[in-house]
Amino acid sequence: GAGVSQSPRYKVTKRGQDVALRCDPISGHVSLYWYRQALGQGPEFLTYFNYEAQQDKSGLPNDRFSAERPEGSISTLTIQRTEQRDSAMYRCASSSPGRRGQYEQYFGPGTRLTVT
Amino acid sequence: DAKTTQPPSMDCAEGRAANLPCNHSTISGNEYVYWYRQIHSQGPQYIIHGLKNNETNEMASLIITEDRKSSTLILPHATLRDTAVYYCIVRTRIYNQGGKLIFGQGTELSVKP
Repeated sequence: GAGVSQSPRYKVTKRGQDVALRCDPISGHVSLYWYRQALGQGPEFLTYFNYEAQQDKSGLPNDRFSAERPEGSISTLTIQRTEQRDSAMYRCASSSPGRRGQYEQYFGPGTRLTVT
Repeated sequence: DAKTTQPPSMDCAEGRAANLPCNHSTISGNEYVYWYRQIHSQGPQYIIHGLKNNETNEMASLIITEDRKSSTLILPHATLRDTAVYYCIVRTRIYNQGGKLIFGQGTELSVKP
């Protein structure tokens, strides 16, 4: 079956513009996560959803960042008034209980955001 | 979730076993040890997880010490394709819910011919 997909794969935007990053999780997966990854670093948690409910947004760096998953499937991460420091790879992951309930997370290919 | 400590890098000869250590001395009773790896620019990939018993799957084996303060991920016959950054993560598994992963710096494993 299809894995996690993200779009766009690459986004170049000018400072001050808003951007919306899309994540399409594996069909039927309950949980959806957003991470941000700087070059040479491990992924950094941003937020996650169970179905349409946002369970934890403690990793969102400031109020310019928001996420939604209105129908419990596709999710959008929005960054308003982008700044150069927002440049990073944004990764989405989804999960559901595995055979042993391990909730392994399946990651998408990421969206490379560059703010100029 | 407990903090983990891993060596920043390791080398391994192709065909030999790769043993990747992880210290998690502050782990609590309800916390699991998870391993993920990230090959080049791809997204992280789940490898294995365990609570207190040793675990094995088609990818690797996980050995957890009796006091649970450390663990070792074993790739029994490393190949060039196993070259990646390996992350050891400790977290509470919450039934009926997911939960965030806290990634550290990981160990960069280089498998050499």
